[in-house]
Amino acid sequence: TAGITQAPTSQILAAGRSMTLRCTQDMRHNAMYWYRQDLGLGLRLIHYSNTAGTTGKGEVPDGYSVSRANTDDFPLTLASAVPSQTSVYFCASTRTSGTTGELFFGEGSRLTVL
Amino acid sequence: GQNIDQPTEMTATEGAIVQINCTYQTSGFNGLFWYQQHAGEAPTFLSYNVLDGLEEKGRFSSFLSRSKGYSYLLLKELQMKDSASYLCAASDSNYQLIWGAGTKLIIKP
Repeated sequence: TAGITQAPTSQILAAGRSMTLRCTQDMRHNAMYWYRQDLGLGLRLIHYSNTAGTTGKGEVPDGYSVSRANTDDFPLTLASAVPSQTSVYFCASTRTSGTTGELFFGEGSRLTVL
Repeated sequence: GQNIDQPTEMTATEGAIVQINCTYQTSGFNGLFWYQQHAGEAPTFLSYNVLDGLEEKGRFSSFLSRSKGYSYLLLKELQMKDSASYLCAASDSNYQLIWGAGTKLIIKP
């Protein structure tokens, strides 16, 4: 079973360029999340979606946008990348928001902005 | 504010026992999670506690004290494959997860 698939696995991007990180899940989970993970810091929530058609801002949303056109896909877009967006990005999902179910994570996308 | 504290790094010996502590402060509380993350990989779920006490799952156990805002993860019979980071996360009143920075556990032979 695939679970959650992220692409690309890694990417080097010039500052000012745009980039979309893709995330697809096949578990029919309603809730999906984008986190960034930086050394010495906990996972920080960028954006989330409780169900298809809805999205919300997390702790660090500036410079990022998301969409949730269907249940399976939750892409994250950087409109104009800056070096501070260099990070490892994890997509995650859980069956239903507002509960205490475990999160399932994708393998991560390592992004370097130069 | 909301905060999670856990040690940055711990070292233990293969076959031994190690306890990783986590303290939390959140607006409301809906449980405490532990995740394991091997270097370069995704976090994977280990345990969830919402009531006080100890939950045992094989070699891993997790403890919660709600009154003290405290949890620990206990790993017994340590194996080299247990070398990883262990992430503590508390669920707040809105069921949002507040994450600690993780504890890197180094296992020595």
